[in-house]
Amino acid sequence: GENVEQHPSTLSVQEGDSAVIKCTYSDSASNYFPWYKQELGKRPQLIIDIRSNVGEKKDQRIAVTLNKTAKHFSLHITETQPEDSAVYFCAASTWRALTFGSGTRLQVQP
Amino acid sequence: EAQVTQNPRYLITVTGKKLTVTCSQNMNHEYMSWYRQDPGLGLRQIYYSMNVEVTDKGDVPEGYKVSRKEKRNFPLILESPSPNQTSLYFCASSLRHTENTEAFFGQGTRLTVV
Repeated sequence: GENVEQHPSTLSVQEGDSAVIKCTYSDSASNYFPWYKQELGKRPQLIIDIRSNVGEKKDQRIAVTLNKTAKHFSLHITETQPEDSAVYFCAASTWRALTFGSGTRLQVQP
Repeated sequence: EAQVTQNPRYLITVTGKKLTVTCSQNMNHEYMSWYRQDPGLGLRQIYYSMNVEVTDKGDVPEGYKVSRKEKRNFPLILESPSPNQTSLYFCASSLRHTENTEAFFGQGTRLTVV
């Protein structure tokens, strides 16, 4: 089955800096790569996604890049703000399921 | 309001006492799934359902059962809970998994088995 690895497990940045979270996946058939944000005590919520026919997607301060050849994708958050503090999960989708990475706890220091 | 609703939110039970966690969605989604979330392990899929009466095992199905008799409901059953099933559980639904649409999550159920 699919295996998704996510790094780093924790990330601390100063407000205004950029944050980058990286994921790799194993199944070349995966074709959809969403990113979810989970605030403390809340449910995961989709923040951005990318499909396999696209190399990059941007939405305001967040962007995702995908390298299908290398089987890795990354989340980039620019101009970080304290409200960006949360756990972020990457995921890869095969025909039957979403497989999630282990999560990155992002702390943005004011 | 479009949503996925789980009940209960919190549950403490004893080893071996059967329990059911309910999940209901009002978005007419075909695909539903259950995940457990444990520290450092992310979200791991327990069971999924492509549509009514179609269910299949995910990555960690041992000790769990599910049913999908109606499109909107997807209960998770623990026939004989054990302490290693203490976890945070999430139900999720999406329109059609094969179309790679957004997965909506329930509020979560924190289960403690003593």
